[in-house]
Amino acid sequence: QVQLQESGPGLVKPSETLSLTCTVSGYSISSGYYWGWIRQPPGKGLEWIGSIYHSGSTYYNPSLKSRVTISVDTSKNQFSLKLSSVTAADTAVYYCARDPGDAMVPLPFDYWGQGTLVTVSS
Amino acid sequence: EIVLTQSPGTLSLSPGERATLSCRASQSVSSSYLAWYQQKPGQAPRLLIYGASSRATGIPDRFSGSGSGTDFTLTISRLEPEDFAVYYCQQYGSSPETFGQGTKVEIK
Repeated sequence: QVQLQESGPGLVKPSETLSLTCTVSGYSISSGYYWGWIRQPPGKGLEWIGSIYHSGSTYYNPSLKSRVTISVDTSKNQFSLKLSSVTAADTAVYYCARDPGDAMVPLPFDYWGQGTLVTVSS
Repeated sequence: EIVLTQSPGTLSLSPGERATLSCRASQSVSSSYLAWYQQKPGQAPRLLIYGASSRATGIPDRFSGSGSGTDFTLTISRLEPEDFAVYYCQQYGSSPETFGQGTKVEIK
């Protein structure tokens, strides 16, 4: 059974960098697929932040691209999100998820973490 | 960027009734790369439908998806108590992947 678990600080100060890690169990990241981050502000809809291929290629939402870095650590079976220069607008539940597609056949996210609330406040 | 508009915003129905949810795209969704998710309070989204009409693993057959191009529909044939939730559509064929704003299916 594939499981994903987000971890990281629940409170970040404005202008600082938000850092989250997603630990995957039940599947080896190095075996393939894309791994993504999605966020959801309280009471609002979902926004795709970006994804990373198992090889390390990254794809970011243009609206956040200047502030986002996604990386993968296959030795720990983890991938990570860094979002710089955060403001209150970045307060959201952050989800990590698996995208089992590839360049030829895109697929949606099939396994998700439970999500972690990150609040941006001084 | 493809903008997805879902309607209605809220659907008030009784258990046993049929639910029809709409998702309209601002431009054609390539190869029907359109998915539907269900989200309950405090939970992560759950994949229901992909490729516009294929049910994900373990999804009951009362859930069905249809459509192509810019107009897509999620139908729940007979609402069960556990189906009252928020539903999102997502297009994943063009970058950036985008989601609709959601339709809440509530108990009447």
